[in-house]
Amino acid sequence: EADIYQTPRYLVIGTGKKITLECSQTMGHDKMYWYQQDPGMELHLIHYSYGVNSTEKGDLSSESTVSRIRTEHFPLTLESARPSHTSQYLCASSEGMQGYYNEQFFGPGTRLTVL
Amino acid sequence: RKEVEQDPGPFNVPEGATVAFNCTYSNSASQSFFWYRQDCRKEPKLLMSVYSSGNEDGRFTAQLNRASQYISLLIRDSKLSDSATYLCVVNVPVIKAAGNKLTFGGGTRVLVKP
Repeated sequence: EADIYQTPRYLVIGTGKKITLECSQTMGHDKMYWYQQDPGMELHLIHYSYGVNSTEKGDLSSESTVSRIRTEHFPLTLESARPSHTSQYLCASSEGMQGYYNEQFFGPGTRLTVL
Repeated sequence: RKEVEQDPGPFNVPEGATVAFNCTYSNSASQSFFWYRQDCRKEPKLLMSVYSSGNEDGRFTAQLNRASQYISLLIRDSKLSDSATYLCVVNVPVIKAAGNKLTFGGGTRVLVKP
């Protein structure tokens, strides 16, 4: 089993609230990722990080922001939640070494509903 | 055109039968390939990597065709527990930071029925 955790697992919140989705991993992986996935739809990469103090935007534009102050921690923040942010958010990590067959390990996801 | 394309299915498969499906990718610089499995409302998990020579893991066989830019997955002797969405995943090197980025296909849904 992968040692990557996400909290909360489920979140229902009102419009305009600030939220932070937590992701942490104990595998010492340098690379971490956030994906967004609507039910029955494909995963979209919204943020990734190659290591501490490194963050990049992914393929899908997102109003969320991320930070990477510690290797094991990669939180995602929405300053003002809107109903359009309702989705599942999946965090993943992989080893930092250069190479091509690095498996990405996924956390269980956070299901966010914005009313 | 999407970078990674899959037939969304569903593929309805009788238990014990064989099912195969493909995935095409558009970036010829892609260097590594994977099949992930995702159960309903769960996170994706690696099923198998796909190597140039093709590889087999039990009832699962993966093939890579670089010339035509597609990979395939074949499941033999299908079990009810094989019902899931199978995600084709392609690694495109990212020169910046010497990293790599995975691009996921939309998934092929397989339903194995008794």
